[in-house]
Amino acid sequence: EVQLLESGGGLVQPGGSLRLSCAASGFTFSTYGMSWVRQTPGKGLEWVSAITGIGGRTYYADSVKGRFTISRDNSKNTLYLQMNSLRVEDTAVFYCARGSKNTAYYPDYWGQGTLVTVSS
Amino acid sequence: QLVLTQLPSASASLGASVKLTCTLSSGHSNYAIAWHQQQPEKGPRYLMKLNSDGSHNKGDGIPDRFSGSSSGAERYLTISSLQSDDEADYYCQTWGTGNWVFGGGTKLTVL
Repeated sequence: EVQLLESGGGLVQPGGSLRLSCAASGFTFSTYGMSWVRQTPGKGLEWVSAITGIGGRTYYADSVKGRFTISRDNSKNTLYLQMNSLRVEDTAVFYCARGSKNTAYYPDYWGQGTLVTVSS
Repeated sequence: QLVLTQLPSASASLGASVKLTCTLSSGHSNYAIAWHQQQPEKGPRYLMKLNSDGSHNKGDGIPDRFSGSSSGAERYLTISSLQSDDEADYYCQTWGTGNWVFGGGTKLTVL
């Protein structure tokens, strides 16, 4: 059974940093692209960042480029999101998602999310 | 620009059917999409990938009550024999160069 378990969310002040983790199980982690998607409270879904399985090519939404860094440790089956220079508008639930096989064109499994609150 | 448009809300009665619509922006009418369901206070769940010709591939455990179809730039999700736990937000999603694009979501109320 595919499972994605996010952790690392919490309350942080504007300008601060936070690192999210996503522990994956039930599939061969290294062969899948992975992404982070966020959801502002009461609003819709926004893609944040993606990383390919092999090679680790990364992609970012313009809203987080230069502030967030996605990475993965295939030996630990874990995905990360390092978030720096956090802003109030980054407050959201962050979801880890597995990209579809071979192409990663869509998320075929999602985690339950971890809440990040940026506030003074 | 690649944009997906969804009506913000829909409603239908218990046991009835409902058809939700996702519209692709001009110039992107041949794109495939995916549908996702988000029940209250839960993470999203992948329902299906829907191609421009109406063929679709459903996710693990998705019941036959959920089906997809396409016409031009419109992509549809039909849910038949509505149940109370179908009350949820439904998002369509597609992909660009390395990124995912989501529609604004449709909140389905089961009456």
